[in-house]
Amino acid sequence: ETGVTQTPRHLVMGMTNKKSLKCEQHLGHNAMYWYKQSAKKPLELMFVYSLEERVENNSVPSRFSPECPNSSHLFLHLHTLQPEDSALYLCASSLGQRNEKLFFGSGTQLSVL
Amino acid sequence: GENVEQHPSTLSVQEGDSAVIKCTYSDSASNYFPWYKQELGKRPQLIIDIRSNVGEKKDQRIAVTLNKTAKHFSLHITETQPEDSAVYFCAASNFYNAGNMLTFGGGTRLMVKP
Repeated sequence: ETGVTQTPRHLVMGMTNKKSLKCEQHLGHNAMYWYKQSAKKPLELMFVYSLEERVENNSVPSRFSPECPNSSHLFLHLHTLQPEDSALYLCASSLGQRNEKLFFGSGTQLSVL
Repeated sequence: GENVEQHPSTLSVQEGDSAVIKCTYSDSASNYFPWYKQELGKRPQLIIDIRSNVGEKKDQRIAVTLNKTAKHFSLHITETQPEDSAVYFCAASNFYNAGNMLTFGGGTRLMVKP
């Protein structure tokens, strides 16, 4: 157990649904990340929060909306997703934002029907 | 921005043999190069990393080499074991630039045959 917990582990949703992914870290880290992992593609950074300030990847569609209420919790709100958004969504944390060791959660396997 | 290419995409070796995975990067300002291992159905975990002030780093059966001039770095696994079977990801970033994020390679699926 690395101290980064993600829920749910699996999620199936329709294109008109609204759902949220949750991530919690118990490591005292100050930076949290959302990554997307698709088959045969590199890990794609979606969002970074460092000391609750967001650093955004401009290529992420607006149907993905992150929220970081405090340094221990990170959410990814999903709405009107497309089938191509089906992927494993990984949360990670690090002590700071200087690209130190990333601690990943187990991920949420998302299927959009 | 940074672009990281990783080869091969799949690698099959016999138990006991060595495995080598290579990555190239495009941004000469990159100075931090970690490697992550992801076993089937599990989360990625850092196994070794190297900074640009050294050319090689070893940790038991795992070693990473860096050639800054050619902008490539490699992961070497000796005496492979079945538990080494996993997907390995390389990455690159500028460690001292807080706004610079890790860019990952596409991954290499390593299969170690008993």
